[in-house]
Amino acid sequence: AQSVAQPEDQVNVAEGNPLTVKCTYSVSGNPYLFWYVQYPNRGLQFLLKYITGDNLVKGSYGFEAEFNKSQTSFHLKKPSALVSDSALYFCAVRDDSGGGADGLTFGKGTHLIIQP
Amino acid sequence: DAGVIQSPRHEVTEMGQEVTLRCKPISGHNSLFWYRQTMMRGLELLIYFNNNVPIDDSGMPEDRFSAKMPNASFSTLKIQPSEPRDSAVYFCASRYGQHEQYFGPGTRLTVT
Repeated sequence: AQSVAQPEDQVNVAEGNPLTVKCTYSVSGNPYLFWYVQYPNRGLQFLLKYITGDNLVKGSYGFEAEFNKSQTSFHLKKPSALVSDSALYFCAVRDDSGGGADGLTFGKGTHLIIQP
Repeated sequence: DAGVIQSPRHEVTEMGQEVTLRCKPISGHNSLFWYRQTMMRGLELLIYFNNNVPIDDSGMPEDRFSAKMPNASFSTLKIQPSEPRDSAVYFCASRYGQHEQYFGPGTRLTVT
């Protein structure tokens, strides 16, 4: 079975400071990893993904994430936070081993609050 | 492209009534997913389709829930009879190949 852990319910960062939202995962095969963002009363928006290749993945709105296989982590980062980045962030994983496990398993989500 | 379209956006119904949620995936996408989001359980996969065929419905909570995809551009999720514990936001998502999923705006269901 696959699982995702987002250990922080909330992360508070001052505007202009770097931010990190943590994610660890567990899969039986190789992971496909994703970050999504959800604004209030909206659907989830895709930010970035790791399938294979470079461990540092760049995505939308200046976000990036680093895949670390030994630590089974995929932390989301941004060098300089904006107030508009305040939202709910979800990490998700899918196993590439096939066998029908094609849906995403999501973490519980992390509320990111950027303070002016 | 208009993205994934869901209707209705809000549904309020009484316990015991039938509820039908609708989804139009992005044109050209060949996989469709239904998720449910609640405060207590987060985002849960209910069922997904590949090329209109249901592949995994293990997340469907019970027999009161059913989903269909009669063609590549339309899917429904039906709850009959509905119960207050079904109150949640239901999301539809679609995907092309092995790429990322794109989510609709969701349907907020309230069962009283």
